Amino acid sequence: GQNIDQPTEMTATEGAIVQINCTYQTSGFNGLFWYQQHAGEAPTFLSYNVLDGLEEKGRFSSFLSRSKGYSYLLLKELQMKDSASYLCAEVDSNYQLIWGAGTKLIIKP
Amino acid sequence: IAGITQAPTSQILAAGRRMTLRCTQDMRHNAMYWYRQDLGLGLRLIHYSNTAGTTGKGEVPDGYSVSRANTDDFPLTLASAVPSQTSVYFCASSETGINTHEQFFGPGTRLTVL
Repeated sequence: GQNIDQPTEMTATEGAIVQINCTYQTSGFNGLFWYQQHAGEAPTFLSYNVLDGLEEKGRFSSFLSRSKGYSYLLLKELQMKDSASYLCAEVDSNYQLIWGAGTKLIIKP
Repeated sequence: IAGITQAPTSQILAAGRRMTLRCTQDMRHNAMYWYRQDLGLGLRLIHYSNTAGTTGKGEVPDGYSVSRANTDDFPLTLASAVPSQTSVYFCASSETGINTHEQFFGPGTRLTVL
């Protein structure tokens, strides 16, 4: 996606912790979303950050640093069902969503 | 229904044919969107509508048209399909069009143009 960078693929072990990074263009920033998408299914909302810091929701947390143009999604106590693609999307200066290509997360037993 | 539905689930289409992908939501959301998703690329916005009666062009609008006659329905039409329009198409909706609210996605339509 335009101006959004995230790793193409990551592998982690069941029960472990994984951090998925996303960098974006900093000018005109109006927020950052993370979505989860299982293979063959629709994306579903995970989190929205507009202020700096860490927001925790159960096993998933999302972090934002506006000055660095950087966000990450932290997944704890990984389960096999967490195998999916994780999409980062920035709300730009025109309040349009700019989507990253997604990070495919593979969980191994 | 609760949420957003799309039809058909999948379709194989001959090049040059006209095709309409249907999308209906029952959440009374003001904004609706059409995306295409291709391998290795992010979701790309085709067209959007911030409220019934209005539509706008997204990142990749060429070859597609939309209408928004009412709040619930947002059909996407390919006037004359080409093989490059082979993709998975997702319809989505949100409370408003300013994109600080989450978008709810339909299950997708897998379209193959031969």
